[in-house]
Amino acid sequence: QVTLRESGPALVKPTQTLTLTCTFSGFSLSTSGMCVSWIRQPPGKALEWLALIDWDDDKYYSTSLKTRLTISKDTSKNQVVLTMTNMDPVDTATYYCARSISEGAFDIWGQGTMVTVSS
Amino acid sequence: EIVLTQSPATLSLSPGERATLSCRASQSVSSYLAWYQQKPGQAPRLLIYDASNRATGIPARFSGSGSGTDFTLTISSLEPEDFAVYYCQQRSNWPRGFTFGPGTKVDIK
Repeated sequence: QVTLRESGPALVKPTQTLTLTCTFSGFSLSTSGMCVSWIRQPPGKALEWLALIDWDDDKYYSTSLKTRLTISKDTSKNQVVLTMTNMDPVDTATYYCARSISEGAFDIWGQGTMVTVSS
Repeated sequence: EIVLTQSPATLSLSPGERATLSCRASQSVSSYLAWYQQKPGQAPRLLIYDASNRATGIPARFSGSGSGTDFTLTISSLEPEDFAVYYCQQRSNWPRGFTFGPGTKVDIK
């Protein structure tokens, strides 16, 4: 059974750096074709893809946010980490990690973690 | 950037009725389009990938069609658990990123 779970702070202050961890099971990110993405959703709004890392450690970022994002993986721990710098109240959202295969559709999602940016 | 437009924004229907949801792309995405269902407080769930393929465990009442710029998600007969928000998503211009549509809410009439 494939599962993903996000973890990280529920509250960050403006200008701080957010670090989120996605811990997964049921697949290996060293297996050819496997990918993990981060996707966010502000309250009451649509989904926004942020970043993807693949089995070959290639990394891809949203054009609009790429200067603020870093994605990395620890294959031995089955974890993917996302950092987002210079947080702003508009970054308040539920952050999801999700698996895809060969940059296909997101077939398995974590439950999401709500992050509020406020002083 | 490829922009996805979904219509209608809200669809009010009764259980048992047929739901037809539209997703239009600003340029061709070939068949690289997926549909997701999201219920309040839950993560999205993949329904359809590559325009017309049902994901694992998705009931046959859900079907997808289309290619190029115009796509449709059809729910043949609404069950009570189908009232939710539905998003389309494209990946055709990878690696330039993925984009989601704004969503269609299917609510109970």
